[in-house]
Order: sequence, then structure tokens, then C-alpha cells
Amino acid sequence: SQQGEEDPQALSIQEGENATMNCSYKTSINNLQWYRQNSGRGLVHLILIRSNEREKHSGRLRVTLDTSKKSSSLLITASRAADTASYFCATAPNTGNQFYFGTGTSLTVIP
Amino acid sequence: DADVTQTPRNRITKTGKRIMLECSQTKGHDRMYWYRQDPGLGLRLIYYSFDVKDINKGEISDGYSVSRQAQAKFSLSLESAIPNQTALYFCATSDWTSSYNEQFFGPGTRLTVL
Repeated sequence: SQQGEEDPQALSIQEGENATMNCSYKTSINNLQWYRQNSGRGLVHLILIRSNEREKHSGRLRVTLDTSKKSSSLLITASRAADTASYFCATAPNTGNQFYFGTGTSLTVIP
Repeated sequence: DADVTQTPRNRITKTGKRIMLECSQTKGHDRMYWYRQDPGLGLRLIYYSFDVKDINKGEISDGYSVSRQAQAKFSLSLESAIPNQTALYFCATSDWTSSYNEQFFGPGTRLTVL
């Protein structure tokens, strides 16, 4: 399987703290994307980083990409209770047309 | 996302029954996908279609079939359902003109096979 892996599997923090989750993948990629899933709902796209980029920001989100280590991290700053959700990375390989999703990190932000 | 709808939202069925899950989209996207989600395994691709005449197997296509009836409709069938097909199923779309390939997901269908 080319499915990526994320860690930690679960993360619990206090509101206002930063949350960091990591994604490791197996193949060369065109881009890597992060998605959010609220309980029982569909996934929502958060941010995309291309293989030639090392860091990207969007609001309270910061994504880094290290293609030499085949890894990415998602940082959510100043977390809020509403950030409670599962977060998935998805990779778009250089070859083929499929996305590969990671196993997800379940984030709980305690008010 | 209201632009991608799935029916039914929940379904309980028995082993051996034929089941069809339907997906419709109003985003005008060419590309459509079916995924299943199992606890601890993330999302895995079942089938995908880049236009009406294009059907491709994904990572876990065994036991499933699909039909792309129109640009806006993509159905997933379980010919003879088995208990290990109990999962949350998602349809997604993307726009071929976007180099970003962002995917837009439906709300999901929770399928239980007894």
C-alpha cells in the first residue's frame, strides 16, 4: 500500500495551544494536501503544498514539506475548540492519477 | 458540501444483497472518485473516473463495481455485500483544469452489512 501514515494518531490540547501533526509518505509526489474531517462528515480541503515548496501558510495553518525525508507537518496555531476534528494528509504522486490518504490524526481541543 | 450529494446517507443490509450507492454533483467537475473509510485506515480509493467513458480501478476495487451515468453522476455497486464491506463511503470530485487537484467530498454513506 502507498498509504501514508500520520502521527500522532490522537492529540489532545488546551485551547490556545499549538497543535502539530506529522505525515510520512512513500513515493515521490507532485503535491501534498491536508484535509479536515469533522465527526461523521465529509473531508474538507485545507491547504496544498507543491513538491518544490518547503513551507506554506494559510491563516492559522502552517504546512512544511521535506521531500528528502518524505514528510510533512501541519501546525495549527492558537487552537480553538472548533478545531476539534480529524486531519488527513493526501499525496498526489508524480506518476498515476490516484490520491493516497494518510491514516489521520484525531485532534481534540479542550475549551 | 452541498455541491456533492450522496444517497442514501445510511443503509443497513444483509449479506448477499446487491447495494447501490449514488453520488451526484453540481460542481461541473469531470473527475469523480469513490473511497471507503475504515477506522484506523484512513481513506482508500475504490474506483475513479475522469470522464463519462473512463473508469479506473483504485486500490481496493474487488467486490465493487461502478457506473458513470453522466458527468454529474457516479454510482458504486456492491454486487453481493459481505460484512467486511461495512464502512463509511465517500464520493469526491475534482476539476481536471485545476493543477491543484483539490478534491471536494460528499457527506458520506454509512453502510452496515449484517
